[in-house]
Amino acid sequence: GNSVTQMEGPVTLSEEAFLTINCTYTATGYPSLFWYVQYPGEGLQLLLKATKADDKGSNKGFEATYRKETTSFHLEKGSVQVSDSAVYFCALFTQGGSEKLVFGKGTKLTVNP
Amino acid sequence: ETGVTQSPTHLIKTRGQQVTLRCSSQSGHNTVSWYQQALGQGPQFIFQYYREEENGRGNFPPRFSGLQFPNYSSELNVNALELDDSALYLCASSLDGSPTDTQYFGPGTRLTVL
Repeated sequence: GNSVTQMEGPVTLSEEAFLTINCTYTATGYPSLFWYVQYPGEGLQLLLKATKADDKGSNKGFEATYRKETTSFHLEKGSVQVSDSAVYFCALFTQGGSEKLVFGKGTKLTVNP
Repeated sequence: ETGVTQSPTHLIKTRGQQVTLRCSSQSGHNTVSWYQQALGQGPQFIFQYYREEENGRGNFPPRFSGLQFPNYSSELNVNALELDDSALYLCASSLDGSPTDTQYFGPGTRLTVL
């Protein structure tokens, strides 16, 4: 079946540090890949997405590249801010099965000033 | 602000009871999906509705059922509640539910089963 494995948290960084959150996936067919973010006390928000191999999604300084050869979609940001503290979820969507959007377990990021 | 709303915000029920959770999708979105998010976990797909018909179901028992209405509202019904049903329930709306489509999530309903 389809699944997403992402880096175990929590991750604690200082402001302006470089961020990488690893995400790998297993899927039948050709999934679309997403990163969602959940700020404290709020619902899930789409951060970025990529719908085919080698696509790069980007938003708010975050980037992720769809790597079909390594089945990965790692999230990166060059300089994190305190306001980036949140839980980040990697997800895939494939029309091949009944599962629709499949999420990883989430990685909690805390950025200290 | 995604334009997707859910009610109620919080709910407490006892084991064996039934519950109905409600969602109002963005206008024009034909697809609504429901997810269960246990504490510390990622959301798990329950089912999806497209134009009032069920269009995919995750690994949840039949006591989880849903309805979608023409006015972009929808319901999640859970019968015979169990303690493990305690979770945050999220609905998400999208245009057509395709893999390239973006799903917009509501803030969720926190259900506690005692």
